[in-house]
Amino acid sequence: LAKTTQPISMDSYEGQEVNITCSHNNIATNDYITWYQQFPSQGPRFIIQGYKTKVTNEVASLFIPADRKSSTLSLPRVSLSDTAVYYCLVGDVGRALTFGSGTRLQVQP
Amino acid sequence: DGGITQSPKYLFRKEGQNVTLSCEQNLNHDAMYWYRQDPGQGLRLIYYSQIVNDFQKGDIAEGYSVSREKKESFPLTVTSAQKNPTAFYLCASSIDLGSGRRIGYTFGSGTRLTVV
Repeated sequence: LAKTTQPISMDSYEGQEVNITCSHNNIATNDYITWYQQFPSQGPRFIIQGYKTKVTNEVASLFIPADRKSSTLSLPRVSLSDTAVYYCLVGDVGRALTFGSGTRLQVQP
Repeated sequence: DGGITQSPKYLFRKEGQNVTLSCEQNLNHDAMYWYRQDPGQGLRLIYYSQIVNDFQKGDIAEGYSVSREKKESFPLTVTSAQKNPTAFYLCASSIDLGSGRRIGYTFGSGTRLTVV
């Protein structure tokens, strides 16, 4: 299974763009990259998923370089409500995803 | 609305007692999963099931058991063999969109189990 490495924590201020990078050096050809957000005492929530290049939805963008050994979740103009833990997961059909410890994002006013 | 329902939200277990956590989904998802989360930690996989009547152990299956008799249901039993069961338990499901891509997990709201 592809192992992921993320920063343990990050701090930001409201209105700033936040970029969280995840390393996954041994990603397999069939693996997709998925990011989740988790608030305390809640289940993680799907944010975005991609395979290569760039994916954008209404809440975030995901940048994946050509070698796919890393990915960057970009949150534009964060607010206090974006304070949460963010998980990067790598996997494909037929395998359960492995969650690491995630990145704790703290947004300050 | 479609989703995953976990019950109960809070559960207290006495030493040596088995307890069962319920997980039901009406999303018509094929696969279901159980994760355990300890304070300040990430999620660890207990068991998962990709089809009815079939399931596989995850990273920390010891002291737990599951069944998958129906597509909609994937109950988790925490047995007395689990020596440190106090944790937050999360159930999830996913569906294969085809072309080798899963849509991603949908999680329930969790059950917080405490041993008293």
